[in-house]
Amino acid sequence: EVQLLESGGGLVQPGGSLRLSCAGSGFSLTSYAMTWVRQAPGKGLEWVSAISGSGDSTYYADSVTGRFTTSRDTSKNTLYLQMNSLRVEDTAVYYCAKDVGYLAHNNNDFWGQGTLVTVSA
Amino acid sequence: QSALTQPASVSGSPGQSISISCTGASSDVGAYNFVSWYQQHPGKAPKLLIYDVSNRPSGVSNRFSGSKSGNTASLTISGLQAEDEADYYCSSYTSSNTYVFGTGTKVTVL
Repeated sequence: EVQLLESGGGLVQPGGSLRLSCAGSGFSLTSYAMTWVRQAPGKGLEWVSAISGSGDSTYYADSVTGRFTTSRDTSKNTLYLQMNSLRVEDTAVYYCAKDVGYLAHNNNDFWGQGTLVTVSA
Repeated sequence: QSALTQPASVSGSPGQSISISCTGASSDVGAYNFVSWYQQHPGKAPKLLIYDVSNRPSGVSNRFSGSKSGNTASLTISGLQAEDEADYYCSSYTSSNTYVFGTGTKVTVL
């Protein structure tokens, strides 16, 4: 059974950093692309970042480029989102999700439970 | 990249069919067949309903179908049921090598 377990969310001050983790089970990160999607309180979905199954290609929304970095540890089957220079507008529930295929097409068939990141002074 | 445009709300009676539109541009919806649709119930993670415009993942009811014409994609729900009441989002690949979601549509079953 495919499962995704996120962790690392919390309260951080503006300008601070946080690293989110997404531990996968029941599948291999090396076989599927992975995506980060966020949802601000009461708002819609926003695509944040993705990484291909090969791990060679990463993609970022303009709103986070240069501040966020997606990476993975295949030995732990875990995906990461390093978030630096956090802003109030980054406050959201962050979801990790597994794509149906090897390439990052934002076709996400399994999702984590989400982890809340709150950026506030 | 601006969000794709969806109607804020759509409603229908049980058993009816409804459609949700998703309007983008020639640089996203109109250019690529990488359109997907998600259903989200309150407090839950989204669920993939349709990918690559019209493909259904295994386990998704055939009451859900997708299509595209020009810069507009559509999701049709046939035989509307009470459990279909939820928020629905479209998504598309863009020429900037990124993805964008729609503004979201709240479906109400009367």
